[in-house]
Amino acid sequence: SAVISQKPSRDICQRGTSLTIQCQVDSQVTMMFWYRQQPGQSLTLIATANQGSEATYESGFVIDKFPISRPNLTFSTLTVSNMSPEDSSIYLCSVRWAGSNTGELFFGEGSRLTVL
Amino acid sequence: QKEVEQNSGPLSVPEGAIASLNCTYSDRVSQSFFWYRQYSGKSPELIMSIYSNGDKEDGRFTAQLNKASQYVSLLIRDSQPSDSATYLCAVMNYGGSQGNLIFGKGTKLSVKP
Repeated sequence: SAVISQKPSRDICQRGTSLTIQCQVDSQVTMMFWYRQQPGQSLTLIATANQGSEATYESGFVIDKFPISRPNLTFSTLTVSNMSPEDSSIYLCSVRWAGSNTGELFFGEGSRLTVL
Repeated sequence: QKEVEQNSGPLSVPEGAIASLNCTYSDRVSQSFFWYRQYSGKSPELIMSIYSNGDKEDGRFTAQLNKASQYVSLLIRDSQPSDSATYLCAVMNYGGSQGNLIFGKGTKLSVKP
């Protein structure tokens, strides 16, 4: 089956630093999304990663804090900028496979960030 | 604000029993519904999708949809300790960001041996 690879899988970061998370898939996808899951909470959509153009951000999320790139159909990055302890979360890459008409989303293994 | 509501639990059932997980949603135009299972420390895993009113069965899992009542449920028959996880209900967000999914907070299920 198709694979969604995220890295890093986990990291411990210092306040004020930035970290870039990568998402690589091995098959064609139509949509790539970035979600956040704060401790004990459900998934919240950060943004839709658009190929070759600026990401579409949800209310409460801004490009300066969460810059996203998607240079091609199978790769995207999410940067968490100027981190604070409130950014400690699991960040999840999610995709909809090309040719799917069911709306199903599939998730990478997630990147667990702890900000000290 | 489109919402998906679930009882957070924990829901505790004995091994072999039927576990019933419920979900309501606010957006009346929603057409696509999903159940994900999330083990502790892992990412969500799709287990069922349902699009039409009625029941859809897949092995020990049955999803039920009632669009008039804006209600989705998941039944797990012959529950096993390995079913212990958090179950997330998700609804496709029509009109939102390219059809993303809106998730409930999840119901934690514990199956006791």
